[in-house]
Amino acid sequence: GENVEQHPSTLSVQEGDSAVIKCTYSDSASNYFPWYKQELGKRPQLIIDIRSNVGEKKDQRIAVTLNKTAKHFSLHITETQPEDSAVYFCAASRGNNDMRFGAGTRLTVKP
Amino acid sequence: ETGVTQSPTHLIKTRGQQVTLRCSSQSGHNTVSWYQQALGQGPQFIFQYYREEENGRGNFPPRFSGLQFPNYSSELNVNALELDDSALYLCASSLGGGYEETQYFGPGTRLLVL
Repeated sequence: GENVEQHPSTLSVQEGDSAVIKCTYSDSASNYFPWYKQELGKRPQLIIDIRSNVGEKKDQRIAVTLNKTAKHFSLHITETQPEDSAVYFCAASRGNNDMRFGAGTRLTVKP
Repeated sequence: ETGVTQSPTHLIKTRGQQVTLRCSSQSGHNTVSWYQQALGQGPQFIFQYYREEENGRGNFPPRFSGLQFPNYSSELNVNALELDDSALYLCASSLGGGYEETQYFGPGTRLLVL
């Protein structure tokens, strides 16, 4: 089955700096890669996703890149703000059946 | 916030007991996936239901079972509870059967097994 590894496990940045979180996956047939943000005690919320026919996608301060050959994808957050502080999860799936999540990255943005 | 709801919000059970968790999917969604999230970890896929049929299962024993109803709401049943079953149980709904894979999570049920 799919195995997703996520790095780093913790990330601390100064407000205004950029943050990058990286994930690798094992199943070359995976074709859907969402990113979720989970604040303490709350549900995971989808922030951006990318499909395997696209190499990059951007939504305001958030971007995701996908390298199918190397089987890795990354989340980029620019101009970070304190409210970006949360745990971020990457995931990979073949369709939406059996979605596998990374272990999470705890992002702290210091004001 | 999504339109996905779960009940109860919290639950305390003892080892060996059985538990039923409920999920109401977002309007128009016919697919529900269940996940177990242990403290400090990512969600782990338990199984998925699409139009009342199981449509995939993760590495969980048979004592984890589910149902989906004609209105696409769903139940997760866990028999013979073990201490390691203590976790946040999340359901996520999606519009399955095609290319739309986006899953929207409910708030979760926090289960504590003593």
